[in-house]
Amino acid sequence: DIQMTQSPSSLSASVGDRVTITCRASQNINTHLNWFQQKSGKAPKLLIFGSSNLHAGVPSRYSGSGTGTDFTLTISSLQFEDFGTYYCQQSYANPYTFGQGTKLDI
Amino acid sequence: QVQLQESGPGLVKPSETLSLTCSVSGASIGTDDFYWNWFRQPPGKGLEFMGNIYYNGKTYYNPSLESHFTISLDTSKNQFSLRLNSVTAADTAVYYCARLGHTIDWYYSDFWGQGTLVTVSS
Repeated sequence: DIQMTQSPSSLSASVGDRVTITCRASQNINTHLNWFQQKSGKAPKLLIFGSSNLHAGVPSRYSGSGTGTDFTLTISSLQFEDFGTYYCQQSYANPYTFGQGTKLDI
Repeated sequence: QVQLQESGPGLVKPSETLSLTCSVSGASIGTDDFYWNWFRQPPGKGLEFMGNIYYNGKTYYNPSLESHFTISLDTSKNQFSLRLNSVTAADTAVYYCARLGHTIDWYYSDFWGQGTLVTVSS
């Protein structure tokens, strides 16, 4: 299985901050990388697919980049509603695997 | 708008069989070109992909999991199901169903159910 490693595991930031979360794959996954946000007690919500493509309805302050093994999710100006846990997931090869998550506190 | 909703028992005894159903609206699971996924999330832990089923009935199961579960389609009800045999406490989790959407280049789970908590306990 492809191992996905996120950093940091947790992060505290303030409204208006620029936040970056990184995700590293154990092998080349091209741009087959998705990002999800999950709030406590809720289902994950797709933010970005294909490394850099914003899913419909997701605010433009979210952006993603990377190819190969190293990827980043950036929130350009943190809003209060952005708290939660963020997961990366590779969709290059079955079984699709997730990172361990990054908990973002505002 | 595609919507998914899980249903099933909240409590199951060890060694029993757990059956969960995902009801889909806004898409036809027997004809639309999509995979339909099951995920789970143990309390306080991360997300785990269990497996999926294609609209033609072809299944994929995560080989990293002990293969004591099956996924099936019921096109007449527009539902797909997860069946876990001989459950243990390790199967306690929130179970999610989701659609695997796609473009020509990428796959991604774009629509999710709200999740259902299953506790395995005597």
